[in-house]
Amino acid sequence: DTAVSQTPKYLVTQMGNDKSIKCEQNLGHDTMYWYKQDSKKFLKIMFSYNNKELIINETVPNRFSPKSPDKAHLNLHINSLELGDSAVYFCASSQDLSQGMRKAFFGQGTRLTVV
Amino acid sequence: DQQVKQNSPSLSVQEGRISILNCDYTNSMFDYFLWYKKYPAEGPTFLISISSIKDKNEDGRFTVFLNKSAKHLSLHIVPSQPGDSAVYFCAARGLSGNTPLVFGKGTRLSVIA
Repeated sequence: DTAVSQTPKYLVTQMGNDKSIKCEQNLGHDTMYWYKQDSKKFLKIMFSYNNKELIINETVPNRFSPKSPDKAHLNLHINSLELGDSAVYFCASSQDLSQGMRKAFFGQGTRLTVV
Repeated sequence: DQQVKQNSPSLSVQEGRISILNCDYTNSMFDYFLWYKKYPAEGPTFLISISSIKDKNEDGRFTVFLNKSAKHLSLHIVPSQPGDSAVYFCAARGLSGNTPLVFGKGTRLSVIA
């Protein structure tokens, strides 16, 4: 059983398109995150949600909108895709905010390529 | 602005020997430090952590050392095994749980049999 699962694993799309990446965790965690790993290999936090509420939004463009329909899901919608959005996007979850990223579980990543 | 630096992009070690991965940080507000391990096509997995009140934490073959005055931490793997070959990320944050983790760029460790 996959603890944190992301779909799709690979996504190739044209500039200007709108796309979504889905994330689900079956660990019963309260907190979920989206991270972006860019071409320079830095892993940077984008968003964190705790119990469906936005906690952290790290100066991410408005084109990126996370949506958390319930505690187990945190989907990432990206509008008007740009070349610079090409990266690997990781979803993660942790038990709650008190644990922060102490024992965060990551999904396998979604490699987004914008052409 | 790199707050967490892993200056060695790669490291090769023979099986059975010690692997030492280094990490430096610049933000004195960081109070909690973690190491993550990442295999290709997989997400990072938590390996070991240390809080600023300690200078050493050990878990099996993995030991993390923290030198707060030097803003430096290191991960020791003894003995190294081929299955340890992966990218290791150092990460840091403040004590509060909703402070985001700041990651280094990672060090690729290759353990040669």
